[in-house]
Amino acid sequence: GAVVSQHPSRVICKSGTSVKIECRSLDFQATTMFWYRQFPKQSLMLMATSNEGSKATYEQGVEKDKFLINHASLTLSTLTVTSAHPEDSSFYICSAPNPRGGYNEQFFGPGTRLTVL
Amino acid sequence: LAKTTQPISMDSYEGQEVNITCSHNNIATNDYITWYQQFPSQGPRFIIQGYKTKVTNEVASLFIPADRKSSTLSLPRVSLSDTAVYYCLVASIYNQGGKLIFGQGTELSVKP
Repeated sequence: GAVVSQHPSRVICKSGTSVKIECRSLDFQATTMFWYRQFPKQSLMLMATSNEGSKATYEQGVEKDKFLINHASLTLSTLTVTSAHPEDSSFYICSAPNPRGGYNEQFFGPGTRLTVL
Repeated sequence: LAKTTQPISMDSYEGQEVNITCSHNNIATNDYITWYQQFPSQGPRFIIQGYKTKVTNEVASLFIPADRKSSTLSLPRVSLSDTAVYYCLVASIYNQGGKLIFGQGTELSVKP
């Protein structure tokens, strides 16, 4: 079946550096992808909607200059955490709608664990 | 998007049937009910979706009463590998391909 991949799966960086996370739809095209963040023992929190060829739509309270999203092709969206700090340490997950699925059926990536020292 | 309420956690034993109920009192006419499963350190996985009555697939069954104000996910004969968090979501058919808002989910623990 269709798969969404993420790279890297884990990343450790120093405070102040920027980290890029890739989300790819492997055998289908996705004009829209979504980025979530999940802290330990908490639910997924939607951060933004990534739109191919246009600007991302951010949820209230999410800093667009902090979390840069680029959806340059129909199979790739990237999330860049700029000037990362320890409080940005979290599990980042992307998703894309299943083009052959029912309503509200999405494929989720395996997630990226970000640790900022 | 309709708000959902689920038990925070549930315990079960291998081989038992597990029923997780979700309340969604403000569900709208155009809303569908969708369930996802998430294992630790993984992205969620779609389980089942329905609008009314009963839906069954190879993984689970979904029971939705006539008033649609609640729904029950039924997992037959659970195994240790069913230990996960289960999320109930409600969203409109006009949201197809649109964003999903996750509630707190139910942490299911299956014991030997």
